[in-house]
Amino acid sequence: GAVVSQHPSRVICKSGTSVKIECRSLDFQATTMFWYRQFPKQSLMLMATSNEGSKATYEQGVEKDKFLINHASLTLSTLTVTSAHPEDSSFYICSAVRRGGFRSDTQYFGPGTRLTVL
Amino acid sequence: GENVGLHLPTLSVQEGDNSIINCAYSNSASDYFIWYKQESGKGPQFIIDIRSNMDKRQGQRVTVLLNKTVKHLSLQIAATQPGDSAVYFCAEEAAGNKLTFGGGTRVLVKP
Repeated sequence: GAVVSQHPSRVICKSGTSVKIECRSLDFQATTMFWYRQFPKQSLMLMATSNEGSKATYEQGVEKDKFLINHASLTLSTLTVTSAHPEDSSFYICSAVRRGGFRSDTQYFGPGTRLTVL
Repeated sequence: GENVGLHLPTLSVQEGDNSIINCAYSNSASDYFIWYKQESGKGPQFIIDIRSNMDKRQGQRVTVLLNKTVKHLSLQIAATQPGDSAVYFCAEEAAGNKLTFGGGTRVLVKP
């Protein structure tokens, strides 16, 4: 099956610093990737849509200047949390869309990145 | 906006019994639904999907039922095993492959 990786899996940073999270589709090309945030015991909330070669589209309430997204290639999207604060501590999950196939477009999820801001 | 929601936050089930997880959705225009399993500290894992032109789809030990009349979705797990303990989410897909997730149900399998 399709594999999506995230790096790092876990990161701890100081308040005010920036953290970059990578999302890679390992065995397929993904023109579209998504970034989600999940707080403890809650569901996944879509933050933004990352499109290769164009600007990301952010969901309502998500600050685009705080959560910088760059879809550098067909297999890589990065999320940078700028000037992180403790309230940004969360589980960040990406997904990548593989076009076509038996089930038409299929979305595969990465393993998530646990961000802790001290 | 319209949301996908779940009624039961936690479901305890005896090993070997069948599990049923329910989900209500409100967007009548939704035509594609997916069930995901999420284990602690991991990303969601695809279980099974169904399109609105179907009312039932079966996989290995899992069955998804869709009732468009009452906008209800369910996931049935046959012969529940300890490895099935996880949080289960339903999701509906909108245009552009955007997913809206339900609140989640935790399944606890008792030995």
